Amino acid sequence: DGGITQSPKYLFRKEGQNVTLSCEQNLNHDAMYWYRQDPGQGLRLIYYSQIVNDFQKGDIAEGYSVSREKKESFPLTVTSAQKNPTAFYLCASKDRGRGNNQPQHFGDGTRLSIL
Amino acid sequence: AQKVTQAQTEISVVEKEDVTLDCVYETRDTTYYLFWYKQPPSGELVFLIRRNSFDEQNEISGRYSWNFQKSTSSFNFTITASQVVDSAVYFCALTFSYNTDKLIFGTGTRLQVFP
Repeated sequence: DGGITQSPKYLFRKEGQNVTLSCEQNLNHDAMYWYRQDPGQGLRLIYYSQIVNDFQKGDIAEGYSVSREKKESFPLTVTSAQKNPTAFYLCASKDRGRGNNQPQHFGDGTRLSIL
Repeated sequence: AQKVTQAQTEISVVEKEDVTLDCVYETRDTTYYLFWYKQPPSGELVFLIRRNSFDEQNEISGRYSWNFQKSTSSFNFTITASQVVDSAVYFCALTFSYNTDKLIFGTGTRLQVFP
């Protein structure tokens, strides 16, 4: 079945440590996104990538980094510079080739907590 | 300002009741797109519906219906004869023709349906 796979489901970070969240899609979508969700809040965009080897900052990119070396993969690294990393992280993708108003499709999320 | 407001933080109903989730948006753009997503306890966001700003036709899909009114900048979602499986957080989101990569989310409405 086509979809978006995020791993791990739960992740714990020690102080000063970088951690990487995985996002893989087999939908053949060009665009991929990372969002952060905090309790009682909507989703906020961290980074997005419209095409391989290119990505743009979203609204809350500080303390995060990404890469897009393959179409199907868009890993997110939460660096030690992110002082409040505890949140639910969601990855999404979209088919840009079918017009502007296509919906984004989401993975199951990764819950990151600080030790 | 571009903004989505979901004023209802939490709604509780008993099974078989009808329930309406409100969504009010702000934008000065003439071409935009509105979405509803469902987030069940498992965490992933499930796409429900998309509406273009130039299409004010209301839509019904089974027990779900959507009322889009540009005059009041609202895109409300009604569930008829609610079921326990409808329990979830529901998000309304907005994007624009000039940058469809940036989805602006409301803070969500948590719906609890009791048997």
